[in-house]
Amino acid sequence: GAGVSQSPRYKVAKRGQDVALRCDPISGHVSLFWYQQALGQGPEFLTYFQNEAQLDKSGLPSDRFFAERPEGSVSTLKIQRTQQEDSAVYLCASSLRQGPIYGYTFGSGTRLTVV
Amino acid sequence: DAKTTQPNSMESNEEEPVHLPCNHSTISGTDYIHWYRQLPSQGPEYVIHGLTSNVNNRMASLAIAEDRKSSTLILHRATLRDAAVYYCILGSTNSGYALNFGKGTSLLVTP
Repeated sequence: GAGVSQSPRYKVAKRGQDVALRCDPISGHVSLFWYQQALGQGPEFLTYFQNEAQLDKSGLPSDRFFAERPEGSVSTLKIQRTQQEDSAVYLCASSLRQGPIYGYTFGSGTRLTVV
Repeated sequence: DAKTTQPNSMESNEEEPVHLPCNHSTISGTDYIHWYRQLPSQGPEYVIHGLTSNVNNRMASLAIAEDRKSSTLILHRATLRDAAVYYCILGSTNSGYALNFGKGTSLLVTP
């Protein structure tokens, strides 16, 4: 597609429920990123993939967060046993190659609300 | 990581030029200066980036100080659709690939 597509657009989860958020990057983009954006804050880095390899997961807040990109295209961010502090917008971005000079294209995000 | 400092908010009149400042006194020689903006309910959008020389594209201009410790994003004629949060970010292939967004500058454009 022409842009980065994320689904669902909105997700309401009961506390303790598992959720899976999907990201379809731009075709051919090697690099893929997940960010978390709390209300009123800038996006915070979660994890980074180059093709199918997860090269950096230092931003994942806990072991309840897990991301994968098994075939080097679509990626899924999974959150187990959701808690209220997980409520945020989760953004996915892709880039043609590694490195910020190539420019990142962001999706519109998934707004997760944990009740 | 080198940090940037931006005003929390700015206001502009429609069709007037807007100058958004950014201070980055600890910038390294390999750091590029990137600007992204985020419209309400959307993901961030690339605006422009530069290293040493001033840069122009269809969206904006980037003026970089000679010592590179500050830069200014210039919107030549603000429109209502330019109302957004503007982020100034430093990054290089040497320092990694994750963009470190701060809180940015919230730009209000009034008719």
